[in-house]
Amino acid sequence: GQNIDQPTEMTATEGAIVQINCTYQTSGFNGLFWYQQHAGEAPTFLSYNVLDGLEEKGRFSSFLSRSKGYSYLLLKELQMKDSASYLCAPMDSNYQLIWGAGTKLIIKP
Amino acid sequence: IAGITQAPTSQILAAGRRMTLRCTQDMRHNAMYWYRQDLGLGLRLIHYSNTAGTTGKGEVPDGYSVSRANTDDFPLTLASAVPSQTSVYFCASSFTGEAGQPQHFGDGTRLSIL
Repeated sequence: GQNIDQPTEMTATEGAIVQINCTYQTSGFNGLFWYQQHAGEAPTFLSYNVLDGLEEKGRFSSFLSRSKGYSYLLLKELQMKDSASYLCAPMDSNYQLIWGAGTKLIIKP
Repeated sequence: IAGITQAPTSQILAAGRRMTLRCTQDMRHNAMYWYRQDLGLGLRLIHYSNTAGTTGKGEVPDGYSVSRANTDDFPLTLASAVPSQTSVYFCASSFTGEAGQPQHFGDGTRLSIL
C-alpha cells in the first residue's frame, strides 16, 4: 500500500532552524512535493524534488533520498509567519499525489 | 489576478439534497482535481481531469460526480448528500497532470451536511 509518515506536530523558536522529516512508500515515484498550509487556508506550493539531493530556495530547502524513501524540509531563520502545517506529497506512478496528514509547526517567540 | 475560484465559500446542507460545488480557473491549465480534507487526514483525491472532455476516479469517488465540458470549469456534484461528506473541499489545477507540475489550489468550500 501507499503510506506517508510525518510527525504530527513540532515546536521551534523564532530565528532558529527546524527540519521536518517525511518517509514514504508509493507505487512508483515521480518526484515529491512540499506544500505549506496556514490554518483555514489552501495549500501553497513550496518545493519539488525528483533527483537525490538538496534543493535550496531562500530560507527553505528540501532534500530527497529515493533509495531510502525519505525527504525533509529545512526551514531557516524561522519567522512567526512560518507557523503552519507542512504537507509532504510524493507522486506515484499514475501521476497522483499521495498526501501525508501534515506536520503542524508552532513557532514560539 | 490569475487563479482558481471556488464557490460557494461555505454551505450548510440538509442530508439528501443535491449540491454542486463550482470551480473555475483562468490559468489555461489542462489538469484539474477535486480533493477533500478532513481533520487528521491527508488530502484525498475525489476525481480528476487531465484534459477537457476526460475525467477519472480518485481515491474516494463514491457519492460524487464531475464533468469537464471545457478547460476552465470543473464542477463537483453530490447527488444526495450524506453527513459523512461533511468536509473542506479543495479544487486544484496544474499545467499538465505529469511529473513536476505543481498543483495550485482554490480557497476551498467548507461543506456541512446535517
